[in-house]
Amino acid sequence: SSELTQDPAVSVALGQTVRITCQGDSLRSYYASWYQQKPGQAPVLVIYGKNNRPSGIPDRFSGSTSGNTASLTITGAQAEDEADYYCNSRDSSGKHWVFGGGTKLTVL
Amino acid sequence: QVQLQESGPGLVKPSETLSLTCTVSGYSISSGYYWGWIRQPPGKGLEWIGSIYHSGSTYYNPSLKSRVTISVDTSKNQFSLKLSSVTAADTAVYYCARVDSSGYFHFDYWGQGTLVTVSS
Repeated sequence: SSELTQDPAVSVALGQTVRITCQGDSLRSYYASWYQQKPGQAPVLVIYGKNNRPSGIPDRFSGSTSGNTASLTITGAQAEDEADYYCNSRDSSGKHWVFGGGTKLTVL
Repeated sequence: QVQLQESGPGLVKPSETLSLTCTVSGYSISSGYYWGWIRQPPGKGLEWIGSIYHSGSTYYNPSLKSRVTISVDTSKNQFSLKLSSVTAADTAVYYCARVDSSGYFHFDYWGQGTLVTVSS
């Protein structure tokens, strides 16, 4: 399968923990990467590999995988975390990349 | 610091070919890694278009493969996208990005994106 499925929208109270999930068969073979996109801006990589954060990404962002589901967890969500989040991985063939449909995170 | 910058026409007529170039600074394309194009229609999600290895090997989204060509010019430190027979459905912000292929094949550096509108 070449699809990654995300919930369209998730909300979290300020300071609470939220998990954004991504499902797909290819996640059994390849790790997901996660991107944050704010309105009018290019996506920014926040998590890659097993649970790696690029320089400058706060440690409240973490990633995990179980079976065919990858998760992005934000522990202690901040107002500035309100954004669209996309997962990405290679497909089962390993020759193509695929993005999830995106999750709009609202911080209440 | 690796930087990428897309350039090309912002308006393309239906049935014509969309052509964009990504200029890379802060890293030599010939040193390695994959390089990719991603697009985002207004109000919609991200779609991978294709990727090219520094040696020239290409990988395309099956849904676009018949219309897409990605090439690399290491002498100019650029890579390019051509999308033929465009329609209004190809209107999108087009991003170029580097694929960190040292381990997990994620897109680590992105250009700012360029809006291409398909209209007569």
